[in-house]
Formats: sequence, structure tokens, C-alpha cells
Amino acid sequence: EVQLVESGGGLVQPGGSLRLSCAASGFTFSSYWMSWVRQAPGKGLEWVANIKQDGSEKYYVDSVKGRFTLSRDNAKNSLYLQMNSLRAEDTAVYYCATGNGPFDYWGQGTLVTVSS
Amino acid sequence: QSVLTQPPSVSGAPGQRVTISCTGSSPNIGAGYDVHWYQQLPGTAPKLLIYGNSDRPSGVPDRFSGSKSGTSASLAITGLQAEDEADYYCQSYDSSLSGLVFGGGTKLTVL
Repeated sequence: EVQLVESGGGLVQPGGSLRLSCAASGFTFSSYWMSWVRQAPGKGLEWVANIKQDGSEKYYVDSVKGRFTLSRDNAKNSLYLQMNSLRAEDTAVYYCATGNGPFDYWGQGTLVTVSS
Repeated sequence: QSVLTQPPSVSGAPGQRVTISCTGSSPNIGAGYDVHWYQQLPGTAPKLLIYGNSDRPSGVPDRFSGSKSGTSASLAITGLQAEDEADYYCQSYDSSLSGLVFGGGTKLTVL
């Protein structure tokens, strides 16, 4: 059974940093593109970033370029999202998902709240 | 303002058929990029419902179907059931943004 478990969310002040993690199991992690998708409270879905199987290609939505960094560790079946210079508008549930569109499997999400 | 436009809400009675539209433009759906659909039940993570415009993942009932034509796509749900009450999102790729895009979402209410 495919499982994606996100962690690392929490409350952070504007300008602060957080590192999200996604632990994957039940599939061959190193064979899949992986993505982060976020959902602001009461709002729709927004793709944030994705990374190729070997980490050689990474893409970001314009609003997070230069602030967020995506990485993966295939030996640990893990995906990471380093988020710096956080803004109020980054407040959302962040989902880890397999694929590059379509997103086949999703984790349960981790809530990031940016507030003073 | 989402690149892909969906109606904010649709509704139907149990047993009826409803459709949800997803309208794009030339850099996304019109350029031939596939459309995928997701179902998000209240308080849960999204789930892939339709991929590649019209294919269903294993386990998705055939009451759900997708289609695409020109710059638009549609999700049809037949034999509406109470458990279908959820938010539905379309998703594709946009070459002008060089990124993946979602529709704004449609809330389905089963009357």
C-alpha cells in the first residue's frame, strides 16, 4: 500500500523558515517524480514544486522561486521542502504527492501557518 | 484567478447526472496537454479520479467519466450518490507559466 506521510509543519513568524518532510513507502520511490501541492484555508489547490526521479530537474511555481528548495533522498525514501522567507500567503496545508501530473497518490498533509 | 476555469458549484439529486466543466486556453488544454481530475471529500486529501483526460484509476467507479475537446474538458458523474458530495478539481500543464495548474474547484452538492 502506498503511504506518504508529511511532517514538519507548524506556526512560524513571517520571514522565518520551516523544513517539510515526506516519508514514502509501498512503492519504488526512486522511480517517481514527486511533488508538493498546497491548499490555503478554504481555498483551492496550488502546485508548488516537483522534482525528477534522480533530483536532476526541479521546478517551482513563480511565487516560491528563490525562497523554497526541493530535494529528495532516494536512499531514505524521503522528500523535503525547505521553505525560507515565509510570508502570510504561504499559510496552507502542504501535500506531498507522487507524480508530475497526474498526482497519483497524496499524503494527508501538514499545516503551515505563517503569522506573528 | 485560476488559469483553468471551473464553475464554483453544481448540484443534482440522487440518481441524476451532472457535469463539471474546466475551461482553459491555448497554452494549456488547447495546446494538447492532458487534463486530470481530483475528488476531495470534506476534510480529506485529494484523490485522483480521472487521468489522461478520460482514464480511470483502478477502483474508481465507471459512474465517473472525463472528456476533452478543444480548450475545455468535462467531468461527468452519473447515478449521483450522497457520497459523491465533494470538491472536484481539474489539472493540466500550462506552457506559458511553465508549470502545473489547477482549476479553482467545483463544489458538488447532492440534494
